[in-house]
Amino acid sequence: EPEVTQTPSHQVTQMGQEVILRCVPISNHLYFYWYRQILGQKVEFLVSFYNNEISEKSEIFDDQFSVERPDGSNFTLKIRSTKLEDSAMYFCASRAVRSGANVLTFGAGSRLTVL
Amino acid sequence: EDKVVQSPLSLVVHEGDTVTLNCSYEVTNFRSLLWYKQEKKAPTFLFMLTSSGIEKKSGRLSSILDKKELFSILNITATQTGDSAVYLCATLQGAQKLVFGQGTRLTINP
Repeated sequence: EPEVTQTPSHQVTQMGQEVILRCVPISNHLYFYWYRQILGQKVEFLVSFYNNEISEKSEIFDDQFSVERPDGSNFTLKIRSTKLEDSAMYFCASRAVRSGANVLTFGAGSRLTVL
Repeated sequence: EDKVVQSPLSLVVHEGDTVTLNCSYEVTNFRSLLWYKQEKKAPTFLFMLTSSGIEKKSGRLSSILDKKELFSILNITATQTGDSAVYLCATLQGAQKLVFGQGTRLTINP
């Protein structure tokens, strides 16, 4: 079964450092997403991306965050200068573009720990 | 503010029991309600509900949506230890955004 692949599975970084989380969405999907889940809290929407641009973003997704699709397969989330409160599990998701296919498929997540 | 509220937050039952998980919502631009199961990491898709009153079934799991009263239930019959997980309810708003509830942690004891 096709799956969304995320790397790294766990990253530990120092406050103020830049991190890049990588995702390989399902190959025929064209909508891409990042969500995060702080330990013990809800899964929260960060950003959606379609046709090489951000289509929607949440209040969490401030200037410290950026997304990119650098080639035909990868979708990345960059945090420019990490803060302690960025510690969370970051989930990438993708979905097909056809109408009615609103089911997002999630990756296994990247756990980010900021010290 | 958009809200998705699940209850109970935690539930412990014995294998073989039947459980009902609840999800209520107040969101703008509602399109669908989705149920996911989260075991270790990635939420895995269970059901998507768009129309009221139509039950969706998959094995021992079933779910239904009430768009008038703004809630959904997820039923699991003859529970097994492998059903232990966090069950997430989420509403799809527009074409893009899922708003999640806080989840129900279900524990099935042998």
